[in-house]
Amino acid sequence: GQQLNQSPQSMFIQEGEDVSMNCTSSSIFNTWLWYKQDPGEGPVLLIALYKAGELTSNGRLTAQFGITRKDSFLNISASIPSDVGIYFCAGRYGGSQGNLIFGKGTKLSVKP
Amino acid sequence: ETGVTQTPRHLVMGMTNKKSLKCEQHLGHNAMYWYKQSAKKPLELMFVYNFKEQTENNSVPSRFSPECPNSSHLFLHLHTLQPEDSALYLCASSQSTGTSGRAMVFGPGTRLTVL
Repeated sequence: GQQLNQSPQSMFIQEGEDVSMNCTSSSIFNTWLWYKQDPGEGPVLLIALYKAGELTSNGRLTAQFGITRKDSFLNISASIPSDVGIYFCAGRYGGSQGNLIFGKGTKLSVKP
Repeated sequence: ETGVTQTPRHLVMGMTNKKSLKCEQHLGHNAMYWYKQSAKKPLELMFVYNFKEQTENNSVPSRFSPECPNSSHLFLHLHTLQPEDSALYLCASSQSTGTSGRAMVFGPGTRLTVL
């Protein structure tokens, strides 16, 4: 079946550092979504990407839809303690909202 | 507060119990979803409802029984569960199941422990 490889699995960084994580697949997707999940909460959408090559920012977050449509990355600049959480990528492969494949997540820890 | 609420937030049940999870969305959406989130595994789609009609059942065991009485409410009835069913159960909603609208919005989840 379709799978997403999300890396790294976890990151432990110093406050102020930049962060980069990515998702890759052997399958083609028509949409890439990036979510953040805080402890005890559900995932919250950060950035949605709808076209190959698209580069979108949301504050200190920047994400890109890979030109091959098989990958996406998320960058966080100048990390702060509240960036702590688990970041998920999700790729959509069909014409329904439910046609989503999720990555296993990147757990981010930030040291003040 | 995302506009999708779930109750209870935590549930502990024995394998012979019957319980129900409730989800309510205040966003005027027409599609609702149940996801299972287990440790170290990707989110797994369980059920999809569009305008109260079930449109997807991802080979979920019959011990999980969904119910969608209207577009704002979604239930997951549980009976004779197994310990491996312990997980975070997430409800989500979207304007429709089509992709022209914004991405789905998740609730905070119900942490289920089966003893």
